Amino acid sequence: NAGVMQNPRHLVRRRGQEARLRCSPMKGHSHVYWYRQLPEEGLKFMVYLQKENIIDESGMPKERFSAEFPKEGPSILRIQQVVRGDSAAYFCASSRQGETGELFFGEGSRLTVL
Amino acid sequence: SQQGEEDPQALSIQEGENATMNCSYKTSINNLQWYRQNSGRGLVHLILIRSNEREKHSGRLRVTLDTSKKSSSLLITASRAADTASYFCATVGGYQKVTFGIGTKLQVIP
Repeated sequence: NAGVMQNPRHLVRRRGQEARLRCSPMKGHSHVYWYRQLPEEGLKFMVYLQKENIIDESGMPKERFSAEFPKEGPSILRIQQVVRGDSAAYFCASSRQGETGELFFGEGSRLTVL
Repeated sequence: SQQGEEDPQALSIQEGENATMNCSYKTSINNLQWYRQNSGRGLVHLILIRSNEREKHSGRLRVTLDTSKKSSSLLITASRAADTASYFCATVGGYQKVTFGIGTKLQVIP
């Protein structure tokens, strides 16, 4: 039973380019969370989605960032026109619907903006 | 914000000693969870305590929850070098939004 899969694990972009991070949740999980982590810091909540619906995007910057979780396929976190401050590790986690919120994490995608 | 705040932020102990980490939060919760993160890896769920529970055990882990003080503690007994990691508390509120604290970095010296 595969866990949460994130790709790419490492991504390098130049300022102004777009970054797309993908997350495939565990089988049977319908909810996906995205978090951002800077070195030596905690996880900052970004967005919480279920299939075809954004439940809470209160942690997402208003500009340049978007997330989706389509009916088919992985969840995508998209960062347009990246800046150096976007460099971080982005973690995805999934959970089952209606349960206690125990999360299963992927290994993260590390974005470096040159 | 429900974000938890752990203390201490860093803790260094000898193998065999007990390690205690604390977490405080600000708003009402459905449950509180503790996670572990090894350097460069994703988080791993350790233990969950519901808002109507006061104490829970799992192996060498003991978690307490005091909802009146909005605080929780994680105790790791008889620590091992392999316990070296960062530990995070996470609060679960309405709509299952899960919010993490800043973490405690634990170093266990062999």
